[in-house]
Amino acid sequence: DADVTQTPRNRITKTGKRIMLECSQTKGHDRMYWYRQDPGLGLRLIYYSFDVKDINKGEISDGYSVSRQAQAKFSLSLESAIPNQTALYFCATSVAGGNEQFFGPGTRLTVL
Amino acid sequence: QKEVEQNSGPLSVPEGAIASLNCTYSDRGSQSFFWYRQYSGKSPELIMFIYSNGDKEDGRFTAQLNKASQYVSLLIRDSQPSDSATYLCAVALAGRRALTFGSGTRLQVQP
Repeated sequence: DADVTQTPRNRITKTGKRIMLECSQTKGHDRMYWYRQDPGLGLRLIYYSFDVKDINKGEISDGYSVSRQAQAKFSLSLESAIPNQTALYFCATSVAGGNEQFFGPGTRLTVL
Repeated sequence: QKEVEQNSGPLSVPEGAIASLNCTYSDRGSQSFFWYRQYSGKSPELIMFIYSNGDKEDGRFTAQLNKASQYVSLLIRDSQPSDSATYLCAVALAGRRALTFGSGTRLQVQP
């Protein structure tokens, strides 16, 4: 079984719709992250959480929100999707005090 | 200036050659440095990390860190076609609570 899972793996939606991407992990890590990846721009951090009560904005948080429902679950929401949010989204985890991150398989989101 | 910079490539090397991938970073106080490999359409996977100046070897991979010059490099010896991927440099910048990634270098190993 995968240590970090993301659902859905692919999603096509329309402008203005609310979308939730979910991430679950069985690694027992405290820290969880959401990134988006666009061609030529690498991985950009959207939000991160160091524990259930610690949520932080990353470099590109506008238009996104998150929820850390439990240590193992971290969800990313797009309240009103727009076409330039079309991207590959990755969830990642790491242990407390460590920087090595472990990535989920990604969600490919297309906003029409 | 980007905080973590990589040449986007593609870097093309023949099979069996040494591939050299470079990364520079802006913050002199940075402490931890990581190299991830990402195959097309897949998630990044950690190859190596390095914390101290000098070289760190793991099989065909060697990470080199020079904090004075603010660069970190990854050498891949005896390159194989299966090494063809994008290589992402990530840095734990001083004062930041999360990693900052470069945009990646695409490596092509020609059979």
